[in-house]
Amino acid sequence: GAVVSQHPSRVICKSGTSVKIECRSLDFQATTMFWYRQFPKKSLMLMATSNEGSKATYEQGVEKDKFLINHASLTLSTLTVTSAHPEDSSFYICSARPATSGARTDTQYFGPGTRLTVL
Amino acid sequence: TQLLEQSPQFLSIQEGENLTVYCNSSSVFSSLQWYRQEPGEGPVLLVTVVTGGEVKKLKRLTFQFGDARKDSSLHITAAQPGDTGLYLCAGNTGRRALTFGSGTRLQVQP
Repeated sequence: GAVVSQHPSRVICKSGTSVKIECRSLDFQATTMFWYRQFPKKSLMLMATSNEGSKATYEQGVEKDKFLINHASLTLSTLTVTSAHPEDSSFYICSARPATSGARTDTQYFGPGTRLTVL
Repeated sequence: TQLLEQSPQFLSIQEGENLTVYCNSSSVFSSLQWYRQEPGEGPVLLVTVVTGGEVKKLKRLTFQFGDARKDSSLHITAAQPGDTGLYLCAGNTGRRALTFGSGTRLQVQP
């Protein structure tokens, strides 16, 4: 089956520093990747849609200058949390949509998530 | 406003019992997916339903897509402790990003 990896799985950083999270599709190409944020015991909240070779599309209320997204290749997207603060602490999850996915089924495969803790 | 409402939000049952989780919306979806997520991990895709009225079975799990493609249900027969987790439905509205439901947290007691 399709595998998506995230790195790191867990990161603890000091307030004011920047943290980069990588999302890779290991055995398929993904023209579109998505970044989600999940609070404890809550559902996934879409942050942004990342398209290979173009600018990301951010959801309303998500600061694009704070959450920098780069989709440099068909298998890699990165999310950089800039000047992180304690309120940015969360579980960040990416998903990848195979380039061959049909428009109707829109299958996405999720990474294992990254737990960010900002002290 | 949550586009996809799931019910119940939380369910605690004994091993061997049956249960049904509902996913409802006023919007029409071209497809709908069900995921299960365990703590500290990403969601794992269980099934994708595409056709109105479609029923899919995955061992003890039965998924149904409403005739109008606005709602779906997940029925688990003879629940096992290994079924414990957060169940999420997600709909495809054609805007590429999935719209996730509010989630149902299931706990199966041995």
